Amino acid sequence: EPEVTQTPSHQVTQMGQEVILRCVPISNHLYFYWYRQILGQKVEFLVSFYNNEISEKSEIFDDQFSVERPDGSNFTLKIRSTKLEDSAMYFCASNRDWNTEAFFGQGTRLTVV
Amino acid sequence: DQQVKQNSPSLSVQEGRISILNCDYTNSMFDYFLWYKKYPAEGPTFLISISSIKDKNEDGRFTVFLNKSAKHLSLHIVPSQPGDSAVYFCAASIFSSNTGKLIFGQGTTLQVKP
Repeated sequence: EPEVTQTPSHQVTQMGQEVILRCVPISNHLYFYWYRQILGQKVEFLVSFYNNEISEKSEIFDDQFSVERPDGSNFTLKIRSTKLEDSAMYFCASNRDWNTEAFFGQGTRLTVV
Repeated sequence: DQQVKQNSPSLSVQEGRISILNCDYTNSMFDYFLWYKKYPAEGPTFLISISSIKDKNEDGRFTVFLNKSAKHLSLHIVPSQPGDSAVYFCAASIFSSNTGKLIFGQGTTLQVKP
């Protein structure tokens, strides 16, 4: 069964460093998302991406964040200068159409020290 | 701004009995609702969805009920099995936004005891 894959599963980084989280969405999907879940809190929407551009972003998704689809298969989330409060599980998701169920990857645990 | 709320952090039921998980929402623009299940160290897995034009959707042991006037939905699992033990998230979206953005509740941890 097709699945969304994320790498790495766990990333530890020093505060102020740049990180790139990688995702391979399901191959025939057109809509891509990043969500995050801070420990003990709810899953929060960060950004949606379609047709090579951001279609919606949350207040969390400030200038420190960017997304890119560098080739036909990868979808990346870059955090330019990480803060302690960026520590969270980051989930990538994709769906075939915006009005169908989204499929989530297993997540990348980002720890900023 | 908690637009989607799951007021019960946890629920414990006996194997074979019914599990009922509840979710309330405040934004009347929401018109598509989903339930996801999440095991530790995994991403959310889609279970079942319902659009606002329906009041019930059933898939095997899982049934979702939507009460638009009360802005309330519930997930029924019958019969409950130990493998159903997980965190269940309610999520909502606005069809007309065309973005597929999901707003999640806080989750309810279901424990099904053998």
